[in-house]
Amino acid sequence: QVQLVQSGAEVKKPGSSVKVSCKASGDTFSSHAISWVRQAPGQGLEWVGGIIPIFGSANYAQKFQGRVTITTDESTSTAYMELSSLRSEDTALYYCARGPGYCSGGSCYPEYFQDWGQGTLVIVSS
Amino acid sequence: QSVLTQPPSASGTPGQRVTISCSGSRSNIGSHYVYWYQQLPGTAPKLLIYRNNQRPSGLPDRFSGSKSGTSASLAISGLRSEDEADYYCAAWDDSLSGQVFGGGTKLTVL
Repeated sequence: QVQLVQSGAEVKKPGSSVKVSCKASGDTFSSHAISWVRQAPGQGLEWVGGIIPIFGSANYAQKFQGRVTITTDESTSTAYMELSSLRSEDTALYYCARGPGYCSGGSCYPEYFQDWGQGTLVIVSS
Repeated sequence: QSVLTQPPSASGTPGQRVTISCSGSRSNIGSHYVYWYQQLPGTAPKLLIYRNNQRPSGLPDRFSGSKSGTSASLAISGLRSEDEADYYCAAWDDSLSGQVFGGGTKLTVL
């Protein structure tokens, strides 16, 4: 049984950055995709981006390109999501989610989200 | 405005069968698998259906998924009070080069 444990809530000022972590246990880390999905208060789900650790390069939703960086540390089975230039609209619950990935045309992508972390609340407020 | 379109709400009585629709386009549902997630109040989403109609092990067969063309649907039979949740469809979108979700459907068990 895979467990994904995320870091605690963050309160940030507009214009600053936040880095959220997601530690996986219980199964092979490197060969599965890790994605970040966010949910603004009272709103639906939104994919931020994902990475397959064994392949290294991340894919990001167009909306977040240039503002988000997803990385992994295979030695600790931990994934990170850093979001910069924060604005109030980034206030949301950020989930990490693990699942199978696939490769096509030289790039690798998350297919779906099988296991989820508990979520990390990020509040952006002056 | 979500790329995939779902009705905002659905309802049914215990024991009834309900379906939730998800409408997309050729660049997402028309070309890729559809996935469904259930989100109970105050909890993280949970995978319900993968690759159009596959159930994760342990999920009761009351839940089923289907896809036709650029639309998909989730059916829940033998409705129970614990099925009251938000349901989201998802698929890969070629135009956006990313995963996209529907806006979610809030299911109420009357």
